[in-house]
Amino acid sequence: KQEVTQIPAALSVPEGENLVLNCSFTDSAIYNLQWFRQDPGKGLTSLLLIQSSQREQTSGRLNASLDKSSGRSTLYIAASQPGDSATYLCAVRGGNYGQNFVFGPGTRLSVLP
Amino acid sequence: KAGVTQTPRYLIKTRGQQVTLSCSPISGHRSVSWYQQTPGQGLQFLFEYFSETQRNKGNFPGRFSGRQFSNSRSEMNVSTLELGDSALYLCASGEGGSSSYEQYFGPGTRLTVT
Repeated sequence: KQEVTQIPAALSVPEGENLVLNCSFTDSAIYNLQWFRQDPGKGLTSLLLIQSSQREQTSGRLNASLDKSSGRSTLYIAASQPGDSATYLCAVRGGNYGQNFVFGPGTRLSVLP
Repeated sequence: KAGVTQTPRYLIKTRGQQVTLSCSPISGHRSVSWYQQTPGQGLQFLFEYFSETQRNKGNFPGRFSGRQFSNSRSEMNVSTLELGDSALYLCASGEGGSSSYEQYFGPGTRLTVT
């Protein structure tokens, strides 16, 4: 059974800092991994999708890496802004076609002005 | 393209009643997945439909059911509601093929059971 954990559970940083969010999963036979952000009471916004054959993906100030063998992914946010405040979730999808996403519990990020 | 839409956005029901939630995927997407989000359990997978067929199911009781129509729109039904069914219900759509299979989420339906 796939289990996903995220560290830290919460993080508070001053504006402008670079930060790293961590995601770990127990079964390395994944199809892909996706990072999302969720604002309070809202749905999920897709940030980055990394296929199992890829090592990293970048979008603007965001960079996500994947190390399948160690069961880890990191989301790097450069030059954080107050608008980045949200909960960040990672989700992994199994290696067999059609398996569902398993989500981590999320990291709640607060960026202080 | 329009995003994933869910209706209604908010719903209040009484224990024992049943409820139907609706999800319209992004145009061209054939896969719809449903998730339940609660403060205690986080995001949990309910089921996935692709081309009108349920192809994956999570570990929820039979009170939770769903279906998908030929236009890819999906409905989720919960019968005999319990207090513990209060949650944010999210649906996600994807192309469903063997490609990237990125999932795009709707805004959710907030269900409160009293």
